[in-house]
Amino acid sequence: ILNVEQSPQSLHVQEGDSTNFTCSFPSSNFYALHWYRWETAKSPEALFVMTLNGDEKKKGRISATLNTKEGYSYLYIKGSQPEDSATYLCAFIRHSGYALNFGKGTSLLVTP
Amino acid sequence: EAGVAQSPRYKIIEKRQSVAFWCNPISGHATLYWYQQILGQGPKLLIQFQNNGVVDDSQLPKDRFSAERLKGVDSTLKIQPAKLEDSAVYLCASSLERTPGAYTFGSGTRLTVV
Repeated sequence: ILNVEQSPQSLHVQEGDSTNFTCSFPSSNFYALHWYRWETAKSPEALFVMTLNGDEKKKGRISATLNTKEGYSYLYIKGSQPEDSATYLCAFIRHSGYALNFGKGTSLLVTP
Repeated sequence: EAGVAQSPRYKIIEKRQSVAFWCNPISGHATLYWYQQILGQGPKLLIQFQNNGVVDDSQLPKDRFSAERLKGVDSTLKIQPAKLEDSAVYLCASSLERTPGAYTFGSGTRLTVV
C-alpha cells in the first residue's frame, strides 16, 4: 500500500479566488499520476494524466505540474467558480499494470 | 462512447444480509477495477481484473467479499454477510491495458448497512 498524501483536506474560498492543492507520492518506481474531479452523486472525472518529470498541463482555468524526483504535484484553479466545488483526487501508479493508489482528496467549496 | 454502467445506484441493507453490485465497463477496456470509498477516505482498490483473470485482490476481504468477471466483460461484486463498516461508495472503473491513461469510472453504488 503506497501513501499518497493530499493537502489541504478541505478548502472554502470565495468566487474569483485562485486556489492550489498539493499531492505528494513515493518518488521511486514512478509510472503515472492522475488528477480526478469528483462531484457528489457523479462519476469521478479525469482532469490530467501526467507521466514525465516537469510536465505542466492545462485545461481551461485548471492546471497541474509534476515533479517526479521529489514526489509532488500541484493543482491550480484560477478564478474559482461555484461549479468548481467538488472533491479533487490525486492518484499514483507505481508500475505499468498496477492500479491507481488514491489520496484522501481535497474537498473544495466555492461560494458566490 | 457509453460510460461505465453500475447498478444499483443506492442500496440499504441490514447487517448480515447479502448484496451484489453490477458493472459494465467501456467496450474494449481489458482492465476492470472495483474500489471502495469510505466517507472521509480515498478510494481503496478491492480487486483488479485483466480480462477475466484477477491481477490483484490483496485488499479484498475474502471472508465476505467476492467478485467475478464472466467472459472478461461484465463484473459483479458481492458482500455476504454485510457488516456496518461496509457502508461506502463502491466504484467500478475500466481502462485500456497497460497504458498510463485515465480510468473511466461509473457513478458508483452507495451502500448503507444498518
